[in-house]
Amino acid sequence: ELKVEQNPLFLSMQEGKNYTIYCNYSTTSDRLYWYRQDPGKSLESLFVLLSNGAVKQEGRLMASLDTKARLSTLHITAAVHDLSATYFCALGERFGAGTRLTVKP
Amino acid sequence: DTGVSQDPRHKITKRGQNVTFRCDPISEHNRLYWYRQTLGQGPEFLTYFQNEAQLEKSRLLSDRFSAERPKGSFSTLEIQRTEQGDSAMYLCASRSQGRPEAFFGQGTRLTVV
Repeated sequence: ELKVEQNPLFLSMQEGKNYTIYCNYSTTSDRLYWYRQDPGKSLESLFVLLSNGAVKQEGRLMASLDTKARLSTLHITAAVHDLSATYFCALGERFGAGTRLTVKP
Repeated sequence: DTGVSQDPRHKITKRGQNVTFRCDPISEHNRLYWYRQTLGQGPEFLTYFQNEAQLEKSRLLSDRFSAERPKGSFSTLEIQRTEQGDSAMYLCASRSQGRPEAFFGQGTRLTVV
């Protein structure tokens, strides 16, 4: 059975710091997604990673994919308060449990 | 607005009643997905359509749940004899077959009392 595991599940960080969220999965797929969800809202697509070694960046967020290790990472650079949200990775239609990120001043 | 539209946004129903939700995908998208999300959890896949064909159903989709996409455009999700455990956000997403990006609607929040 396909499993998608994220860690950490909760992350509290200070503004200006860097951190990485990890997403491990148990089987291969042609699509690895990262989404953002604000409280009470729907999901916003951040990145779609399609191949081994893919790296995408948008602002302070950078996502990468290592299909051999079955691992994707979401790296946060110089965090700001506006990044506070829950971040999900998804392999195809299967989602991880999410990482609830809080950025403190 | 050309995004994914869901209706209603909120629904409160009594246990045992039937409810139906609607999803209008982005017009050129032939794939449509339904998910359920409970508080503090990630979305759980329920089912998906390619055009009007329902191609996959999760084991989460009990016989009280049924989904349709009769003309390959909008879709409905019906829950019969609702239970308190059905309380959740029901999300719809759509995408084109040849493109990986998926777009989510705002969801329908169901509360069963």
